[in-house]
Amino acid sequence: AAGVIQSPRHLIKEKRETATLKCYPIPRHDTVYWYQQGPGQDPQFLISFYEKMQSDKGSIPDRFSAQQFSDYHSELNMSSLELGDSALYFCASSPREGSTEAFFGQGTRLTVV
Amino acid sequence: AQKVTQAQTEISVVEKEDVTLDCVYETRDTTYYLFWYKQPPSGELVFLIRRNSFDEQNEISGRYSWNFQKSTSSFNFTITASQVVDSAVYFCALRHPIFTGNQFYFGTGTSLTVIP
Repeated sequence: AAGVIQSPRHLIKEKRETATLKCYPIPRHDTVYWYQQGPGQDPQFLISFYEKMQSDKGSIPDRFSAQQFSDYHSELNMSSLELGDSALYFCASSPREGSTEAFFGQGTRLTVV
Repeated sequence: AQKVTQAQTEISVVEKEDVTLDCVYETRDTTYYLFWYKQPPSGELVFLIRRNSFDEQNEISGRYSWNFQKSTSSFNFTITASQVVDSAVYFCALRHPIFTGNQFYFGTGTSLTVIP
């Protein structure tokens, strides 16, 4: 069965650079969530989208932005990267907003040096 | 407010021992869902179980079992006859399908090490 695809799996960037993380949800899933998991931390909610519109926002820095495209894939753009942005970034998708099912991708490990 | 507490930060057991991971949650809502995820060293989040607030039946899946008790707001997870492959970080999570944006509220995780 198709799963949530995240790319790239690993990314190394320097401070002040920009990074773009991509998430391809399971086919026919219209809801996407982004989570950030720092080293030794639990995943923290960043932002979610339903039908290409932002549906909820968590602790996402202003330096970050995200969007969901017409094919339902989502991109998380991170600018002016800081060392503290080094983390595992998860994307999850749900069949519809309000669904209790959510499937996580394998994550993108971002290292800022 | 929604909150999940996993008081055990790290647990070590010897292979074949049973181990229980505790999870206590707080919520004002009557409809909610509880989850357990496993995060092996490779980093992915592996779904283990989902339980809704109206179903207090305990569940067993192979060596895994879950004990949901609304009276104590607990959703504990037991691994029977632990194996080295069970070594991972385990997260308990709470989710509301309607309120709070449907996001997951994760506990801080319990790191389980199974010693051969």
